Amino acid sequence: GQNIDQPTEMTATEGAIVQINCTYQTSGFNGLFWYQQHAGEAPTFLSYNVLDGLEEKGRFSSFLSRSKGYSYLLLKELQMKDSASYLCAPQDSNYQLIWGAGTKLIIKP
Amino acid sequence: GAVVSQHPSWVICKSGTSVKIECRSLDFQATTMFWYRQFPKQSLMLMATSNEGSKATYEQGVEKDKFLINHASLTLSTLTVTSAHPEDSSFYICSARAGELEAFFGQGTRLTVV
Repeated sequence: GQNIDQPTEMTATEGAIVQINCTYQTSGFNGLFWYQQHAGEAPTFLSYNVLDGLEEKGRFSSFLSRSKGYSYLLLKELQMKDSASYLCAPQDSNYQLIWGAGTKLIIKP
Repeated sequence: GAVVSQHPSWVICKSGTSVKIECRSLDFQATTMFWYRQFPKQSLMLMATSNEGSKATYEQGVEKDKFLINHASLTLSTLTVTSAHPEDSSFYICSARAGELEAFFGQGTRLTVV
């Protein structure tokens, strides 16, 4: 079956760095997306990895290891507005996004 | 990024009535549109996938006669919740993509059935 595993909740301090891990099992693989979702809002696209390695985009970076079925999202210089849920969504062989429950990130001053 | 507009943002309707939600891709042609439902503190649940000009593919457990999806053009898909009941109250989100690129989401529609 297809499965996504992310921590349910994480807490970090403003200005710090946090890494949100994601392990996945899918039927085939065509890249992995990370989305941010604030409470009561729709998800917004953060990053896409299809090859192994690190993709950096400003304060956010995303890493992928296809052989390990593993990805992480790294958030630097945390701001209060980064408090949100972060969704890891791999894409299977049919280009279907597989969604987990996401990680709720709480930022404290 | 690309813009997907979903309308209305919120709607309250009486039990037994129907509600139509529109999803438009404003600056690209969406070959595929997806409809999701999300209950509080739960993950996105895919309801159906629609490709322009063809019938939607519904996920297991989603009643296609209750949730009518129409994808008449490359920029518009609609979801109609027919004979709505209070248990249909949820956050409905559409997303659109061109080919296998990233999916962009509409703002979501919060439906409350009273």
